[in-house]
This record gives sequence, structure tokens and C-alpha cells, in this order.
Amino acid sequence: GAGVSQSPSNKVTEKGKDVELRCDPISGHTALYWYRQSLGQGLEFLIYFQGNSAPDKSGLPSDRFSAERTGGSVSTLTIQRTQQEDSAVYLCASSPAGTSGSYEQYFGPGTRLTVT
Amino acid sequence: AQSVAQPEDQVNVAEGNPLTVKCTYSVSGNPYLFWYVQYPNRGLQFLLKYITGDNLVKGSYGFEAEFNKSQTSFHLKKPSALVSDSALYFCAVRPINQGGKLIFGQGTELSVKP
Repeated sequence: GAGVSQSPSNKVTEKGKDVELRCDPISGHTALYWYRQSLGQGLEFLIYFQGNSAPDKSGLPSDRFSAERTGGSVSTLTIQRTQQEDSAVYLCASSPAGTSGSYEQYFGPGTRLTVT
Repeated sequence: AQSVAQPEDQVNVAEGNPLTVKCTYSVSGNPYLFWYVQYPNRGLQFLLKYITGDNLVKGSYGFEAEFNKSQTSFHLKKPSALVSDSALYFCAVRPINQGGKLIFGQGTELSVKP
């Protein structure tokens, strides 16, 4: 079946502009995650959505970053007033529901963001 | 602070030889443990996980991993490496009762030469 999809695959933007990154999780997966992969910081957790619960925003690096998930499916990560240090690959992942939390996460191909 | 360490940035092995990619973690409680692989310009692919039970877990593509609670380690192994195994490998830990986020190691680049 279809995996996690992300768009765009590449985004080049000028410093100070806003960007929106989109994630379509696997159908039926209630948990959705955003991570950032950069050379200096490795893979960092950003935000986590689980069903209708309030999202865990503990990994967002600044208030310029926000995310929403509409209808329990598609998610958008927004970065306002982009800075060069925001350049990274942004990865989205989803996993099935489950109180045990033992499910693995399925990752999308990522969006490569370059801020010039 | 919670952390995951992959002490080797790069591991080089000859095709057909056994390989080990090391991972240790510093996380309270009994976390869930995962290995992921990333091929160039691709997302992360799940390899295997340890939740509970047998310390040796088997996963995709002939990989296995050994959990050692006393050493807080979860090393990835394969008895006979293939050139196609060359990729970036990430160890990840999911702390219990922290909403599901994964804490990743820095990654280890595996290079398998013919």
C-alpha cells in the first residue's frame, strides 16, 4: 500500500520567507511525527500528534515553527521567517494506534529545505 | 539527559564478513529500541525492534540485534555483509510514557566493499 508521502521534495527559499511542508500519513495511522535531519544536529524530534489529543510540541526549536493536523490525517509544518539554520531535511513519520507504544514509525522521503 | 550513542561514525567491512554497528543508550526505565536504515536520498526504513522477551531480535534483510540490559546496548549485527548493505544506520530509543517520540543516535555509515 501507499506509504507516507511528503511535499515538496525540495524547497529553496530566501531568508525571512515563510514555508509550508506537507505530510500525508499512511491511511489509518493515528500517530504522526515530524523530525528534522541536519548535519550538525542529527535527527531531532519536533512534534507529535496522536488522535485528538493535544500535540506534543516539546521539540519545536522556536516559536517560528508550528504544525497542525487537519481531520486527523494530513499535517502541515510551517516555518515563519526562515533562517539559514533552518536548512535541513524535514521528515514525517506515522504509526498505527496502540496504547502499548510498541509500533515502529514509518517515515516519508523527506523535504529538503534550503534557506539562502 | 536522555541520549543515544553510536560511537563509530563509519564502519568498513568486506563483503561476506560479519558486521556489527554499535549502539548504547542512556534512558530511564525500559525503553523500546529500534534500528533504522537510510539509503541515499531516501527516508528511514525500519529494520527491527526490541520491545520485550528474547534479547536477540531478528529483522529485515538478515539483520539482527542483541539487547544487553546491563550494558544498555543494542548492537546491530549481520553474519555476512553484502555490498548492498552499504547505507546509513540509525539506532533509536523510545522512552516509555513520553508520547512516542524517538531519540536517535548520530548514525553510522556502513561501507561494504567487494
